[in-house]
Amino acid sequence: KAGVTQTPRYLIKTRGQQVTLSCSPISGHRSVSWYQQTPGQGLQFLFEYFSETQRNKGNFPGRFSGRQFSNSRSEMNVSTLELGDSALYLCASSSWDAFTDTQYFGPGTRLTVL
Amino acid sequence: AQSVTQLDSQVPVFEEAPVELRCNYSSSVSVYLFWYVQYPNQGLQLLLKYLSGSTLVKGINGFEAEFNKSQTSFHLRKPSVHISDTAEYFCAVTRPDSWGKLQFGAGTQVVVTP
Repeated sequence: KAGVTQTPRYLIKTRGQQVTLSCSPISGHRSVSWYQQTPGQGLQFLFEYFSETQRNKGNFPGRFSGRQFSNSRSEMNVSTLELGDSALYLCASSSWDAFTDTQYFGPGTRLTVL
Repeated sequence: AQSVTQLDSQVPVFEEAPVELRCNYSSSVSVYLFWYVQYPNQGLQLLLKYLSGSTLVKGINGFEAEFNKSQTSFHLRKPSVHISDTAEYFCAVTRPDSWGKLQFGAGTQVVVTP
């Protein structure tokens, strides 16, 4: 089956702009999680959506938001971009049950804020 | 709250030699444990996971890990590495009631040389 896809793969923005990243999960997966990866902070959890509802949230400011659509595709939005938002943003999808599935990661979106 | 500590930031190893990557965790409740690998410019790939049962877990590509509850450790091992094992390895933990929220260690860079 097709893997997790993320678009775009690379993005360059300037401070103060906003950005929307997209994630298409594996077919049949209803959970989508988002992570930020930076050299300084490592991999940090942003939020998780399950059946269009935010189920878990990490410790990020309100500038970071997300949503999930009825087809399980998810978007995350970052408003008022800061230089420190430059990172690799990864999304992962899974079914609801840890015992029968795992989190499958996409290749990520590399965001550069100038 | 739980935390994950990867004790080595970088591990150099010769081809065909064994390697062990150390991971310690802390949590007041039972957790699930994972090892992921990240190759350059790619997302994360699951190597193995421990949910319950046998403490010795076998994963893909010849990797295995042992869960030690008394020492709160989940070390990853491979008896003989290949050049292609050069990558960054992440230990991660999650609680059963927040399955979609992984907390990652800082990562261990494995460099395999001939």
